[in-house]
Amino acid sequence: DAGITQSPRYKITETGRQVTLMCHQTWSHSYMFWYRQDLGHGLRLIYYSAAADITDKGEVPDGYVVSRSKTENFPLTLESATRSQTSVYFCASRQATTYEQYFGPGTRLTVT
Amino acid sequence: AQTVTQSQPEMSVQEAETVTLSCTYDTSENNYYLFWYKQPPSRQMILVIRQEAYKQQNATENRFSVNFQKAAKSFSLKISDSQLGDTAMYFCAFMKHGTGGTSYGKLTFGQGTILTVHP
Repeated sequence: DAGITQSPRYKITETGRQVTLMCHQTWSHSYMFWYRQDLGHGLRLIYYSAAADITDKGEVPDGYVVSRSKTENFPLTLESATRSQTSVYFCASRQATTYEQYFGPGTRLTVT
Repeated sequence: AQTVTQSQPEMSVQEAETVTLSCTYDTSENNYYLFWYKQPPSRQMILVIRQEAYKQQNATENRFSVNFQKAAKSFSLKISDSQLGDTAMYFCAFMKHGTGGTSYGKLTFGQGTILTVHP
């Protein structure tokens, strides 16, 4: 199906483990974004990408790594998960010439 | 850097009545977009309405309208004839205008307001 998907939708992991959250979009949008949602903070930008192989840090990048080898995929990796990274993670994409961002369904990550 | 503030953590309204959600922002930019997003319990982010800063006319989408005060940096959302399906978290968001380069297109969100519509 066309659109933006995230996997897994739910994940429980232990402190210190590496975990990768996947994001895939079928529109060939050039811009992609990762946000985290925490109560009292709204959504905060972790990383974003303007095109394949072009990424940049957002507001809260520490502890996260991204890559974008293909336009349609934008995985987010927590190299060594911490309890403070327990959150809901949203991926989004946007065409370069428009204003609207399209959000994925979110991944709820719990770090124990 | 931009900041967006929603000072109402929770609001409630009776079905069919009108409610206004507040949002203020701080920026040195002159050209930008402002948005209201709705997040129902399904967690999906849904764009409700947008406003371009260069437009003086307030945006309207059916029962949803905004009061955009550029000088005061205020951007409130009015929901008329509230419905049970309007129950959700509402986020105000800011985005710099422009389509080139890596600095554009990032959304800065407020903390959110939980709106409950009572029957």
